[in-house]
Amino acid sequence: GEDVEQSLFLSVREGDSSVINCTYTDSSSTYLYWYKQEPGAGLQLLTYIFSNMDMKQDQRLTVLLNKKDKHLSLRIADTQTGDSAIYFCAESNQAGTALIFGKGTTLSVSS
Amino acid sequence: DAGVIQSPRHEVTEMGQEVTLRCKPISGHDYLFWYRQTMMRGLELLIYFNNNVPIDDSGMPEDRFSAKMPNASFSTLKIQPSEPRDSAVYFCASSLRQGLHQPQHFGDGTRLSIL
Repeated sequence: GEDVEQSLFLSVREGDSSVINCTYTDSSSTYLYWYKQEPGAGLQLLTYIFSNMDMKQDQRLTVLLNKKDKHLSLRIADTQTGDSAIYFCAESNQAGTALIFGKGTTLSVSS
Repeated sequence: DAGVIQSPRHEVTEMGQEVTLRCKPISGHDYLFWYRQTMMRGLELLIYFNNNVPIDDSGMPEDRFSAKMPNASFSTLKIQPSEPRDSAVYFCASSLRQGLHQPQHFGDGTRLSIL
């Protein structure tokens, strides 16, 4: 079945770059997603990438996709304390009707 | 635009009691999802609906859990009887349609504590 794996924790200093990694299993996923969850809130879509792309940049965010290795990463440039949150990687299920989420990576940013 | 609205935000009740969680999806969205989030298991998909019809309930943990969507603007997740291991944050999400890129929009969740 589909599965998404992420490391659980990442700690960085303010101003540094953060890189959050994810591996997924379903090579037929059309879109891959990054969601952000702040304390006490639901998940918000941060960015996504279409499977025929290698890279997508959106301001401080860069998404890299390696389809051969089924590896997705999210890079946050100039990380700020406000970026502290849980980041979830997600892929579509085989039917394309639901999302499979990883367990989330808790990003802690220290000043 | 109002987002996905869940109620209550917090619920504390004793084991054995019936618990009902409520969700109002974004108007016009035809997919609705219920998730459960715990430290141990992360985010689990419990059930989802398309046009008010349950499509996949394979994630519902036990018969104690049931979900309904009587109309396009309302859904409930019921636990009867509740147990301490049901304590978690329950999220509802909705999306416009699947198959193409349509992100899921999440509510702020219901934090459920069963004593």
